[in-house]
Amino acid sequence: SQQGEEDPQALSIQEGENATMNCSYKTSINNLQWYRQNSGRGLVHLILIRSNEREKHSGRLRVTLDTSKKSSSLLITASRAADTASYFCATASQGAQKLVFGQGTRLTINP
Amino acid sequence: EAGVAQSPRYKIIEKRQSVAFWCNPISGHATLYWYQQILGQGPKLLIQFQNNGVVDDSQLPKDRFSAERLKGVDSTLKIQPAKLEDSAVYLCASQGFIETQYFGPGTRLLVL
Repeated sequence: SQQGEEDPQALSIQEGENATMNCSYKTSINNLQWYRQNSGRGLVHLILIRSNEREKHSGRLRVTLDTSKKSSSLLITASRAADTASYFCATASQGAQKLVFGQGTRLTINP
Repeated sequence: EAGVAQSPRYKIIEKRQSVAFWCNPISGHATLYWYQQILGQGPKLLIQFQNNGVVDDSQLPKDRFSAERLKGVDSTLKIQPAKLEDSAVYLCASQGFIETQYFGPGTRLLVL
């Protein structure tokens, strides 16, 4: 079963704007990860945030985690056409390596 | 370092036929995963291997799906017989000592 639920399912913005995607999950986690998938390709790891962290940055990416609300957000600043892709959150439970993926957010950046 | 390799990239078969997918993980990665990704959905774990042992196959439809990783390196996933609802992308991922999974390009299966 899929634990993460992403919101929105689809997002279309203009190049240069910021994009925010949200992820909610149901059970306690060890870490939460975000992955990107370009059309017809495999997934690429973007960023990992552990359950004892609240915010993490990587380049133009900013991830927050609120374990009390069981939610996370991914912010992409100054979006580019190349950011067009599907973005998935995935959770790893305590004591387990496996990831449970959400349904994903399809992001379209319009030039 | 070389990434995760998968073959074939595309496969079209008729229902009730059999099909096999191959995965070569990143060298030295002990953990290997097979996922099924249906169009418009996130990947769903089918099976997890640690070296050549199965860690989790709770979501593998064992009446028709099988997987092996005999020497703890390459892995094959087989479907026999295939059903229409098996049409999906089959992703292989490997993992080393850190929590990041590295994905291959996937095999796109169409069952007619």
